[in-house]
Amino acid sequence: QLQLQESGPGLVKPSETLSLTCTVSGGSISSSNYHWGWIRQPPGKGLEWIGSIYYSGSTYYNPSLKSRVTISVDTSKSQFSLKLSSVTAADTALYYCARHRWGIQLYHFDYWGQGTLVTVSS
Amino acid sequence: QSALTQPASVSGSPGQSITISCTGTSSDVGSYNLVSWYQQHPGKAPTLMIYEVSKRPSGVSNRFSGSKSGNTASLTISGLQAEDEADYYCCSYAGSTTFGVFGGGTKVTVL
Repeated sequence: QLQLQESGPGLVKPSETLSLTCTVSGGSISSSNYHWGWIRQPPGKGLEWIGSIYYSGSTYYNPSLKSRVTISVDTSKSQFSLKLSSVTAADTALYYCARHRWGIQLYHFDYWGQGTLVTVSS
Repeated sequence: QSALTQPASVSGSPGQSITISCTGTSSDVGSYNLVSWYQQHPGKAPTLMIYEVSKRPSGVSNRFSGSKSGNTASLTISGLQAEDEADYYCCSYAGSTTFGVFGGGTKVTVL
């Protein structure tokens, strides 16, 4: 059974960079059929796709966040990571990593991590 | 404001059927058969319920079905059960610039 687990600081200061890592187990991060994505959910609000990465390193970002987001992958560790710079209180959210089925006639998230809450506060 | 519009809440009695709408535009829902639906219970991660408009992943009850007409996708839950009480989110591919967009979510209450 594929499992994803987010990790990283739960508290980030305003203007600093949020950094999270997702560790994938029970399956290969290097499979040619899958991308790996980050989605966030502010408290009491809806879901927002942040971006996704293919094992080769190709990245795709939400245009509204693109200037502040970097997603990278380390296949040797079965991990992919998120960096969000210049954070403000508006970036306080539950951050999920997920397997992203994306290809010809494919676009959905079929496995999700449990999520990790990141609070932006001084 | 979310890119896809969902009703804030929908309710029904046990055994009834309910339908949740997800309205987009000709740039997302209307152009691609790539609408997915997610169920989220309080304090839990979302779970995939429907993908490619109407396909069900293995293990998802056949009480859940999806459809699309024009710019609006729909999720129908038949034979409503107490365990169906949750938030539901739609998602659609939106082209090679925007990529993907979610709806604002619908809270389903079983009366």
